[in-house]
Amino acid sequence: DGGITQSPKYLFRKEGQNVTLSCEQNLNHDAMYWYRQDPGQGLRLIYYSQIVNDFQKGDIAEGYSVSREKKESFPLTVTSAQKNPTAFYLCASSIDRGAGGPYNEQFFGPGTRLTVL
Amino acid sequence: AQSVTQPDIHITVSEGASLELRCNYSYGATPYLFWYVQSPGQGLQLLLKYFSGDTLVQGIKGFEAEFKRSQSSFNLRKPSVHWSDAAEYFCAVGNMNTGFQKLVFGTGTRLLVSP
Repeated sequence: DGGITQSPKYLFRKEGQNVTLSCEQNLNHDAMYWYRQDPGQGLRLIYYSQIVNDFQKGDIAEGYSVSREKKESFPLTVTSAQKNPTAFYLCASSIDRGAGGPYNEQFFGPGTRLTVL
Repeated sequence: AQSVTQPDIHITVSEGASLELRCNYSYGATPYLFWYVQSPGQGLQLLLKYFSGDTLVQGIKGFEAEFKRSQSSFNLRKPSVHWSDAAEYFCAVGNMNTGFQKLVFGTGTRLLVSP
């Protein structure tokens, strides 16, 4: 079955710690995305990547970092610089042909809930 | 900049009754519009999408949505709600002018289904 997996499902972090959230896809999609979801605020884009070894900041990138060393993987690190990291984090992917191509839907993983203790 | 407004935070519908969830968007060009559904603690699942053509689009689980350019709306409808439809629903607009396929989401509407 093709899809997106995120791990862990629940993650607890102490103040001042960095934590890394995993996202893997076997859909052969070029583009991958990280969103943060807070109650009443919908989804906000943290980072996105259109190809391997390239990624761009989204709307709320401060305190986060990513890497894209493989097409299938797009891990997100929540650093100690993120002042309010408790949230639900969603990873997504799409066949992204960029601005010149047709629009393609984004497929979402099951999410990781991060709680700061 | 594009934006999406979902004016209803919560809606309660009796099982078997009809449903309409409102979505208004702000976008300068022809929009790409989506409705996603999210069950508690889960990811988002695409219900339907509008890119062009027929303004009434059919989706999964018996949902449909109508694109009305004059009203900048893309409301989601279902003729008869089932208890399993209780979830949060997100409307989103796609923008290709940013150089990548960016999605902007509304804040969501939580649907409660009463017996």
